[in-house]
Amino acid sequence: EDQVTQSPEALRLQEGESSSLNCSYTVSGLRGLFWYRQDPGKGPEFLFTLYSAGEEKEKERLKATLTKKESFLHITAPKPEDSATYLCAVQARRGNMLTFGGGTRLMVKP
Amino acid sequence: DVKVTQSSRYLVKRTGEKVFLECVQDMDHENMFWYRQDPGLGLRLIYFSYDVKMKEKGDIPEGYSVSREKKERFSLILESASTNQTSMYLCASTVSSGNYGYTFGSGTRLTVV
Repeated sequence: EDQVTQSPEALRLQEGESSSLNCSYTVSGLRGLFWYRQDPGKGPEFLFTLYSAGEEKEKERLKATLTKKESFLHITAPKPEDSATYLCAVQARRGNMLTFGGGTRLMVKP
Repeated sequence: DVKVTQSSRYLVKRTGEKVFLECVQDMDHENMFWYRQDPGLGLRLIYFSYDVKMKEKGDIPEGYSVSREKKERFSLILESASTNQTSMYLCASTVSSGNYGYTFGSGTRLTVV
């Protein structure tokens, strides 16, 4: 059974304080690992897809990396508008379903 | 931009009512999904559909059914609403390869009283 565990559950940062979110996974043949951002009361918004170990992707202050067992979402010099819940999901080679982790709620204080 | 539109942002229904949640996507996606999201439990897959008139059970299908009569529309039906179905419901769609991730709707916050 595919499993995704995200840590920490919640993270408080001061504006400008860089940090990383972790996503550990087990999957029977990884097809893709996805990161989403979710604002309160809204649906998740797609950020990145990573397909193989060693791959990295960047978008503004966010950088996602992938190993064979985990992915990190690095946040450099965060701003209050980066506050959101970040979701990680894996897709196995069979089928199109995503298995989601529980999310990390990020709060960035000015 | 791909859009997934859920018909209602907020709904309040009574126990025992039959409830319809509607989802429409405008990018000709083959695959559509219904999730519910609850604090501490994350996103859980209720039903999904790979094509018109096709449906597959997800992890928690009990108490729900779905309908996909047209490619762009995927409906979630609560046959007899119960208070434990109070939740945020999210619809998503993707192309058949699934390689580009899901596009989610804004969600429907359903309260059953």
